[in-house]
Amino acid sequence: DVKVTQSSRYLVKRTGEKVFLECVQDMDHENMFWYRQDPGLGLRLIYFSYDVKMKEKGDIPEGYSVSREKKERFSLILESASTNQTSMYLCAISKAGAGTEAFFGQGTRLTVV
Amino acid sequence: AQRVTQPEKLLSVFKGAPVELKCNYSYSGSPELFWYVQYSRQRLQLLLRHISRESIKGFTADLNKGETSFHLKKPFAQEEDSAMYYCALWNNQGGKLIFGQGTELSVKP
Repeated sequence: DVKVTQSSRYLVKRTGEKVFLECVQDMDHENMFWYRQDPGLGLRLIYFSYDVKMKEKGDIPEGYSVSREKKERFSLILESASTNQTSMYLCAISKAGAGTEAFFGQGTRLTVV
Repeated sequence: AQRVTQPEKLLSVFKGAPVELKCNYSYSGSPELFWYVQYSRQRLQLLLRHISRESIKGFTADLNKGETSFHLKKPFAQEEDSAMYYCALWNNQGGKLIFGQGTELSVKP
């Protein structure tokens, strides 16, 4: 059974705080992704990584950074949280190669006040 | 630019009625397309992929390259089909998975 675990289910942070969202997998998959999910906008890709210490910008990277020091862990960092970053954040993993199935975490609902 | 478009935010049907969730894409090359589903309080999960040409839970989807579409169909909707459905495209050039805006399917008794 694939396990993709996000560190928190709900988070409330203040504007300007530095926020860390953690994602851990136990499947030894190469690819890891961070998306934000907003009603009417679907899933938008923030950053992804296809290997340790590698990262690529997605479609909406502004205001975010990532870290992948170990294969199983992919962290999303909000350098200075803002209210427009209030959202559901989803982590996903997949094997290397085109078109493999993506497995998702349970999501982190972040509220920035 | 590579893009996935789902024109309907909400689709409401009665149990037993046919369902078609629309998905259009723009991609320069041979696309690899998927449908993902998110049931209430559950994780997003793969429903089907076009290369498999399979039927899952009675759903099918055919890739139409001429119309750049990958619509999801089911002849007889069930209440348990109520969920959020996302069409997705694997971008070979960028090595990333791109999603559409999602369509909420509501099947009424």
